[in-house]
Amino acid sequence: GAVVSQHPSRVICKSGTSVKIECRSLDFQATTMFWYRQFPKKSLMLMATSNEGSKATYEQGVEKDKFLINHASLTLSTLTVTSAHPEDSSFYICSARSSLNTEAFFGQGTRLTVV
Amino acid sequence: QKEVEQDPGPLSVPEGAIVSLNCTYSNSAFQYFMWYRQYSRKGPELLMYTYSSGNKEDGRFTAQVDKSSKYISLFIRDSQPSDSATYLCAKYNFNKFYFGSGTKLNVKP
Repeated sequence: GAVVSQHPSRVICKSGTSVKIECRSLDFQATTMFWYRQFPKKSLMLMATSNEGSKATYEQGVEKDKFLINHASLTLSTLTVTSAHPEDSSFYICSARSSLNTEAFFGQGTRLTVV
Repeated sequence: QKEVEQDPGPLSVPEGAIVSLNCTYSNSAFQYFMWYRQYSRKGPELLMYTYSSGNKEDGRFTAQVDKSSKYISLFIRDSQPSDSATYLCAKYNFNKFYFGSGTKLNVKP
């Protein structure tokens, strides 16, 4: 399957700081990228959908000013958690799909811990 | 009603058993179905992908879709301890994915 690389895999930051997570499609052009949050033993919660060159579409209840998503190229999307708080600690996962295929491929996930 | 419903398990089977994982879905609009496997603290990995009703086989894995009853299944033959993971079913339509809650599978040696 196609490869999606997410970085970093783990990050610890202080409360009030911002953290950027990168998601790259390594061998295909990702016209659409999805950002999810996953709580322990729970399923994926879609946060936002971004199409290359367009503003992200956020799901209800997700603060777009807190979770900044940029999809500036066909191979890179970033999620920035601004002014992070301990309640933002979670597992964040990106996925990407091209316009040629239906299936989406996931990154390895980022474990964010805010202290 | 959720778009995709999945029994969370956990499901525990002995090595070599046939495993059956199931999901039901609502809304019969044009859509695709997928099964993902997720190991602990990792991102989901695509296992199977299908659109039509019927069976699709890939090695020890068989995905089955029954659109008349809105039922999707994943069968794992000759299960191995390395198959122990959480399995997520998903459907896709209109540029959106809907995931089940995941079934945790444990294959005991």
